[in-house]
Amino acid sequence: EVLLLESGGGLVQPGGSLRLSCAASGFTFRNYVMNWVRQAPGKGLEWVSSISNSGGSRNYADSVKGRFSISRDNSKNTLYLQMNSLRAEDTALYYCAKDRSGISETTAEFDSWGQGTLVTVSS
Amino acid sequence: SSELTQDPAVSVALGQTVRITCQGDSLKTYYATWYQQKPGQAPVLVFYGRNNRPSGIPDRFSGSSSGNTASLTITGAQAEDEAAYYCNSRDTSANHLVVFGGGTTLTVL
Repeated sequence: EVLLLESGGGLVQPGGSLRLSCAASGFTFRNYVMNWVRQAPGKGLEWVSSISNSGGSRNYADSVKGRFSISRDNSKNTLYLQMNSLRAEDTALYYCAKDRSGISETTAEFDSWGQGTLVTVSS
Repeated sequence: SSELTQDPAVSVALGQTVRITCQGDSLKTYYATWYQQKPGQAPVLVFYGRNNRPSGIPDRFSGSSSGNTASLTITGAQAEDEAAYYCNSRDTSANHLVVFGGGTTLTVL
């Protein structure tokens, strides 16, 4: 069974930083593209970032480019999201999502999701 | 970036058929993927590609596509199908990116 467990969320002041983690199990982590997707309270889903299976290719939504950095440690089966210069509009539940396919770039087909970790940016 | 447009809300009588649509230029190139999200839960993949339903998803869920419009059809809607439904696809305006629709809240009457 695929399991994705996010952690690292919390309350942070505007301009601050947080690092989210997503511990994966139940599949061969190094073979799959991984993604972060967020959902602001009461709003829809927004794709944030994706990383290729090797970590060599990383892509970001315009809304976070230059502030967020995605990475992975295949030896630890863990995905990360480093979030800097946080803004109030970054407040959301952040989901880790596994790509359905094992190719090197996202297919936009997310077949497994974690339960999310809540990030609140407020003074 | 590209946009995907969904009707905010749709309702269906119990046991009837409902179609949820998703429109956008990226759908001329890529198939839509569909997710179901119930309150307080993570999204669940319900349909993807030309004609693919993940294991465990009832066969009353089906998908189709024409031009810039993709549709998710629920044939014989059940009370447990009441949820928000989101479409997404690759973004043609900027490769390697992903775009989501705004979501459709389905009410089963």
